[in-house]
Amino acid sequence: LAKTTQPISMDSYEGQEVNITCSHNNIATNDYITWYQQFPSQGPRFIIQGYKTKVTNEVASLFIPADRKSSTLSLPRVSLSDTAVYYCLDPNSGYALNFGKGTSLLVTP
Amino acid sequence: DTAVSQTPKYLVTQMGNDKSIKCEQNLGHDTMYWYKQDSKKFLKIMFSYNNKELIINETVPNRFSPKSPDKAHLNLHINSLELGDSAVYFCASSQGDRITDTQYFGPGTRLTVL
Repeated sequence: LAKTTQPISMDSYEGQEVNITCSHNNIATNDYITWYQQFPSQGPRFIIQGYKTKVTNEVASLFIPADRKSSTLSLPRVSLSDTAVYYCLDPNSGYALNFGKGTSLLVTP
Repeated sequence: DTAVSQTPKYLVTQMGNDKSIKCEQNLGHDTMYWYKQDSKKFLKIMFSYNNKELIINETVPNRFSPKSPDKAHLNLHINSLELGDSAVYFCASSQGDRITDTQYFGPGTRLTVL
């Protein structure tokens, strides 16, 4: 079972910023924090990965506090097409990704 | 061109039958995976191959047998299908075999066992 904790679901209106926080208390020194996104009827796809502080790409930002026991995925100005499940991966997965149940985000007009 | 492809996309079959799902990746990756996503949307690793060698074999019934004829292909054979095998099966690939290596997923195969 995944050793991460994240909200089961979230709702947002279009144009808002969405922040999804994940707890990973058992993170080890060398572990990275990775998030994937899964649209309905599609396979998951990589969004972002980070080790500490802040990482930003064209899709999202990832904020990681100094103790690294949690991380926050930030989606700026969401649109309807951002409706998906967002997975925070168990950093101790080792060789295979341990997805857990993810956070189901619903964006409405 | 599709990076990771799976066939068929849908598979409906009777209990007790034997079926196969094919997966191909054209990314030149060394590692390929099979995942199962059940009706509760829980996504779980089944197998992983690195350069045609099995490196992960989670607790999966031995009715499930992966076969990797070459680095670009990882097929999943399922014998004596059961109702509980109904799920969406995803193939994925990555360059390396660590969590930091981005995995690219196929579109999934929805298996329905009647």
